[in-house]
Amino acid sequence: DVVMTQSPLSLPVTLGQPASISCSSSRSLVYSDGNTYLNWFHLRPGQSPRRLIYKVSNRDSGVPDRFSGSGSGTDFTLKISRVEAEDVGVYYCMQGTHWPLTFGPGTKVEIK
Amino acid sequence: QVQLQESGPGLVKPSETLSLTCTVSGGSVNSYYWSWIRQPPGKGLEWIGYMFYTGKSDYNPSLESRVTMSVDTSKNQFSLKLSSVTSADTAVYYCARGAREPIWGRGTLVTVSS
Repeated sequence: DVVMTQSPLSLPVTLGQPASISCSSSRSLVYSDGNTYLNWFHLRPGQSPRRLIYKVSNRDSGVPDRFSGSGSGTDFTLKISRVEAEDVGVYYCMQGTHWPLTFGPGTKVEIK
Repeated sequence: QVQLQESGPGLVKPSETLSLTCTVSGGSVNSYYWSWIRQPPGKGLEWIGYMFYTGKSDYNPSLESRVTMSVDTSKNQFSLKLSSVTSADTAVYYCARGAREPIWGRGTLVTVSS
């Protein structure tokens, strides 16, 4: 199975400051169709998990533009330009290229 | 906008079969792949499998021997059955539209206990 790693696993942030989460995969996530299926999700207790980013850098409809995704091959990054209170929760990267599809361990974002 | 709602027993006895249904609104099950994902308490996320309404499916090898998925186009629902459950199957179960780029439901907690 493709192993997904994330760092840091815990991220205390100051409101209004930037934040960055790294995600690495044990194999290249470039699929045979040329796409790289790397997603980012945000999970908060009691709420539906929300997909923020798909195919590395495509922001989902309704996702604030303070969220951005980048990377290629095996190394990816999620950035929040200015953290807001609603951004707390756990962020997961997920690869959709190789079966079985796998997730990173999650990064818990909390406000300092 | 598609909405997904999981339903089913919140408590299942060991060795029995866990059965969950996902009701789709704002879209048809006659398109897209449909998936199940789970997260045991305090643990990571695990992909269970996906299927297409035609019956094409693929399951996580770690669960393949115990998993069955199905789609009911008349009810616009898809379902998960997991047999011979143990306490290790206690988890929040999520249904999702899609496989490689899933959109998730809210999730439902299933506890395996006698």
